[in-house]
Amino acid sequence: QSALTQPRSVSGSPGQSVTISCTGTSSDVGGYNYVSWYQQHPGKAPKLMIYDVSKRPSGVPDRFSGSKSGNTASLTISGLQAEDEADYYCCSYAGSYQGVFGGGTKLTVL
Amino acid sequence: EVQLLESGGGLVQPGGSLRLSCAASGFTFSSYAMSWVRQAPGKGLEWVSAISGSGGSTYYADSVKGRFTISRDNSKNTLYLQMNSLRAEDTAVYYCAKDPHIVVYWYFDLWGRGTLVTVSS
Repeated sequence: QSALTQPRSVSGSPGQSVTISCTGTSSDVGGYNYVSWYQQHPGKAPKLMIYDVSKRPSGVPDRFSGSKSGNTASLTISGLQAEDEADYYCCSYAGSYQGVFGGGTKLTVL
Repeated sequence: EVQLLESGGGLVQPGGSLRLSCAASGFTFSSYAMSWVRQAPGKGLEWVSAISGSGGSTYYADSVKGRFTISRDNSKNTLYLQMNSLRAEDTAVYYCAKDPHIVVYWYFDLWGRGTLVTVSS
């Protein structure tokens, strides 16, 4: 199972919005609504930010939102804050009882 | 406190074996599916294996199928990963991760801090 495709890096200034894409195929992202997003700060464990494409766990700010169109899922962070600087990973069910992550995107807050 | 704590990592030679453990606390362990996810140094996350809350269903990434075995002891609130025939490309931090459902639902709402496995001669 090939990793989902994410941009290696994105950046934005405080207060701005950024969108991170996650492109797969009809066998994973496009075929199921089991897309999740994780935030990982250096040396730390990942943290769930979005699940089931667009649902937010309790405690995650509503500045974080998720969506999907066809084979591409997206994570949008609005009102960027310094603490949002981290690596972000998407994840999807890939059929045949397999999961697949994206390669990760480094978000820099300028 | 709700937490997961991995142990068992270390240095092992190619072809060797290692068993990882993940001790769960603060929640009803048997009610939730669990997974192992790994991260090679400086690289992204890779799903490795998953198991249902009862332990009756297990799933593996193609990269580890036939070499790794996931299991759980619900009486001890502990998840395991038996790793055999280890290769250099298995070198990674291994995280255990909790799924919020008893069957595998393919997202993870609680993660441990990870344990480092290094495969090298």
